[in-house]
Amino acid sequence: GEDVEQSLFLSVREGDSSVINCTYTDSSSTYLYWYKQEPGAGLQLLTYIFSNMDMKQDQRLTVLLNKKDKHLSLRIADTQTGDSAIYFCAETPLSGGYNKLIFGAGTRLAVHP
Amino acid sequence: NAGVTQTPKFRILKIGQSMTLQCAQDMNHNYMYWYRQDPGMGLKLIYYSVGAGITDKGEVPNGYNVSRSTTEDFPLRLELAAPSQTSVYFCASGEFTESNQPQHFGDGTRLSIL
Repeated sequence: GEDVEQSLFLSVREGDSSVINCTYTDSSSTYLYWYKQEPGAGLQLLTYIFSNMDMKQDQRLTVLLNKKDKHLSLRIADTQTGDSAIYFCAETPLSGGYNKLIFGAGTRLAVHP
Repeated sequence: NAGVTQTPKFRILKIGQSMTLQCAQDMNHNYMYWYRQDPGMGLKLIYYSVGAGITDKGEVPNGYNVSRSTTEDFPLRLELAAPSQTSVYFCASGEFTESNQPQHFGDGTRLSIL
């Protein structure tokens, strides 16, 4: 079956690194995504990784993919108060046929001084 | 460039009432989606459309209907509102090509059924 799991909460100090983890079950997933949701807003695409990659870096964001363990992580360097939001992991199973996205429940990141 | 626009942003309905949630996109995307987001849960797909005149059910379609008469618009209709439909509704659009084309989301409609 298709399932994406994330821890629900993460609290970090401003300036530290944040690591948000995600596990998924569908090994056929082609792309894996990280979306950010700020209060009262829709989902904003942060970054994505293709399933044949191990790592992708984009400024303060680093995505690591362990395809063997079906584990995806998002590292935010030098975390700022503006990074406080809910972060959703999502996968695109190959069997979807309509660019189907399966979402995790989201990790709420709280950044404190 | 407005992207995906949803209206209204908030609405309170009584049980049994009906309403239509509007969604419009200006990116000429063929694919459009309706999701609901319940507290502490990920997004669940209600309906989707792969082009004008074509719609299909997602994971949780019961109690909803959609239509797609134009590429730009994809309204979601609740015919007999029930408390279980209290949720935040998101519309999204995108394409389905060999290269990555992520979905773009609207800001959501917060709906309460009392």
